[in-house]
Amino acid sequence: SQKIEQNSEALNIQEGKTATLTCNYTNYSPAYLQWYRQDPGRGPVFLLLIRENEKEKRKERLKVTFDTTLKQSLFHITASQPADSATYLCALDGFADTGRRALTFGSGTRLQVQP
Amino acid sequence: DTAVSQTPKYLVTQMGNDKSIKCEQNLGHDTMYWYKQDSKKFLKIMFSYNNKELIINETVPNRFSPKSPDKAHLNLHINSLELGDSAVYFCASSQVPYTGTGRSAQETQYFGPGTRLLVL
Repeated sequence: SQKIEQNSEALNIQEGKTATLTCNYTNYSPAYLQWYRQDPGRGPVFLLLIRENEKEKRKERLKVTFDTTLKQSLFHITASQPADSATYLCALDGFADTGRRALTFGSGTRLQVQP
Repeated sequence: DTAVSQTPKYLVTQMGNDKSIKCEQNLGHDTMYWYKQDSKKFLKIMFSYNNKELIINETVPNRFSPKSPDKAHLNLHINSLELGDSAVYFCASSQVPYTGTGRSAQETQYFGPGTRLLVL
């Protein structure tokens, strides 16, 4: 069956360092992959979208890579700041087991940036 | 100017009761969704409506009934609440619907602040 895996353990890094979060998937044919940020008590907020034929996408301090051979996406935040502390969700836009297109979310990785 | 709003923010109720959660979006989007986020933080789609028409209905008990009076509103009514219904429910909207098999460009989803439901 389809599975999306994100590191369930929190990632703790020092301010100024680069944070790298991983999203692995199996049994999917995603057309797009999206990354969202979720703060405690709030709804997810869209950050970046990358297409299946794109290797890399950047937006300010954010960078996303998408390797459809490895079935993996990496999400990088460079020069991290305490304000970047949040849970980051990856979401695969592709065909679910039902054969219908859907956006399916991973459980997210919590990032904690220490000052 | 909240893009996607939900009411109430918190809902505490007894098992067996019937309750509703309201959602409104002012983005002019054609598609709205309901998601459930459980204690393990998995966000799972429940329903999707495009222009007041149901297009996705995942494996959700029929105690849950979405209602879309117009394309800016998608309310969720839950009958005979059970302990396992306790979760955070998010409403979302997008311009492009998830309907068929095409691989056209998809837009992102805009989420509401969530409704925290606790069934006692």
